[in-house]
Amino acid sequence: NAGVTQTPKFQVLKTGQSMTLQCAQDMNHNSMYWYRQDPGMGLRLIYYSASEGTTDKGEVPNGYNVSRLNKREFSLRLESAAPSQTSVYFCASGRDFPRADTQYFGPGTRLTVL
Amino acid sequence: QKEVEQNSGPLSVPEGAIASLNCTYSDRGSQSFFWYRQYSGKSPELIMFIYSNGDKEDGRFTAQLNKASQYVSLLIRDSQPSDSATYLCAVPSDSGGGADGLTFGKGTHLIIQP
Repeated sequence: NAGVTQTPKFQVLKTGQSMTLQCAQDMNHNSMYWYRQDPGMGLRLIYYSASEGTTDKGEVPNGYNVSRLNKREFSLRLESAAPSQTSVYFCASGRDFPRADTQYFGPGTRLTVL
Repeated sequence: QKEVEQNSGPLSVPEGAIASLNCTYSDRGSQSFFWYRQYSGKSPELIMFIYSNGDKEDGRFTAQLNKASQYVSLLIRDSQPSDSATYLCAVPSDSGGGADGLTFGKGTHLIIQP
């Protein structure tokens, strides 16, 4: 039982390049999330998927798109990376019982945009 | 937009003493509260969650809720150097307690002095 996995662990991009961050969970959770963490800003929600087939914007969605590929996988895409997107990105999945808001995090992706 | 406030610290506590961490929340309707521990360079790890119906004890950790003053406390008894980390407080982003993500505080940096 691997929990929540993320790839890649590290990535360096140039401004304007695109990339997709991958996330998968093997806990059979319905809900999945993407957060970013910046020094002094804390964790902020980018997008979430309450169930397979649905996605919704969080607090800071601009510059990102997501795809809920199936129940296990939730990807985050940067179409045209900007230096402001330099951050640590965490994927999480939500346990459905007792409440969907009990979340478990993956190891993170450290992204640098030059 | 919900807000969660934490003192950034660092909070320095001698080994074996009780560490007391607090967070205040803005939405009086919040029903559940989460404490995560995050070691430097690692992902957040869920250590405790409580609902609005009462306090909770789990081993050396106790979470207490003061609804009237809108703050949540995390007490760590018999503090160990391995407890040195940043502690994040979070509440559900929606009032319904569904799968809409969490709003996090910026965290308190705890240092346990041997």
